Amino acid sequence: GESVGLHLPTLSVQEGDNSIINCAYSNSASDYFIWYKQESGKGPQFIIDIRSNMDKRQGQRVTVLLNKTVKHLSLQIAATQPGDSAVYFCAGTYNQGGKLIFGQGTELSVKP
Amino acid sequence: NAGVTQTPKFRILKIGQSMTLQCTQDMNHNYMYWYRQDPGMGLKLIYYSVGAGITDKGEVPNGYNVSRSTTEDFPLRLELAAPSQTSVYFCASSYADTQYFGPGTRLTVL
Repeated sequence: GESVGLHLPTLSVQEGDNSIINCAYSNSASDYFIWYKQESGKGPQFIIDIRSNMDKRQGQRVTVLLNKTVKHLSLQIAATQPGDSAVYFCAGTYNQGGKLIFGQGTELSVKP
Repeated sequence: NAGVTQTPKFRILKIGQSMTLQCTQDMNHNYMYWYRQDPGMGLKLIYYSVGAGITDKGEVPNGYNVSRSTTEDFPLRLELAAPSQTSVYFCASSYADTQYFGPGTRLTVL
C-alpha cells in the first residue's frame, strides 16, 4: 500500500545550524505534499506545502525540496532556533480533499 | 476565526462506556477528518467527510462512528470503549488539500 516515511526518528542540531529532515514516499501518483510541525500537547501546525509540478518552494526560514525521480522530499530549516524543537511530519496525497498519508515523524531537538 | 475546536481536552473512560468527541470548524470547509495518534507514531485516519451528509471510512474505522449533519460539526462516537482506543484524537478540516487541525482530545480507556 501507500506509505510515507521519514528517514530518522530523531535529529539533534546546534542552535544556529541548518536542519534537514528527510521523507520518502511510495505512491508516484502523489501530487501534493505538506510538512507539519507538532509541538508537545498540540495539534499539527501547517508549515509549508509543495505540488508535484515544483521542485522547490521557500517560506520564512524553511525550504521544501521535492525529487520526484527518487520519490523523496526534504524540509530545510535555516538558522534553527530553540522554538523549532518539535516533531515534524511529512504527508502526501494524490487527490484534492483526499486522504493525507502521514509519515511517523522526526523529533527535532535544538541544543543551545 | 477560532479555526477547529475540539471538546473535551481530556477524558478517562471505563471499558465498555461510550462517548462522543466533538469537533467544530468555523472556516466553512467542506472536508473534515478524524485522526488518532498513538505515542511516537504518525496520524491514522479514522473517518472523513467531503460535505454535510457524506462520510466515509479511513484506515482505522472499527469501533467508531461519525455523522455530519452540518458543515460545521463532525462528531466522533466511540461505542463500547476498549483499551486499544487509548490515544490522542485530532479533528481537521480543509477547503482543498491543506488540512488544519484542532488541539486534540486525549482519551484514556481503563
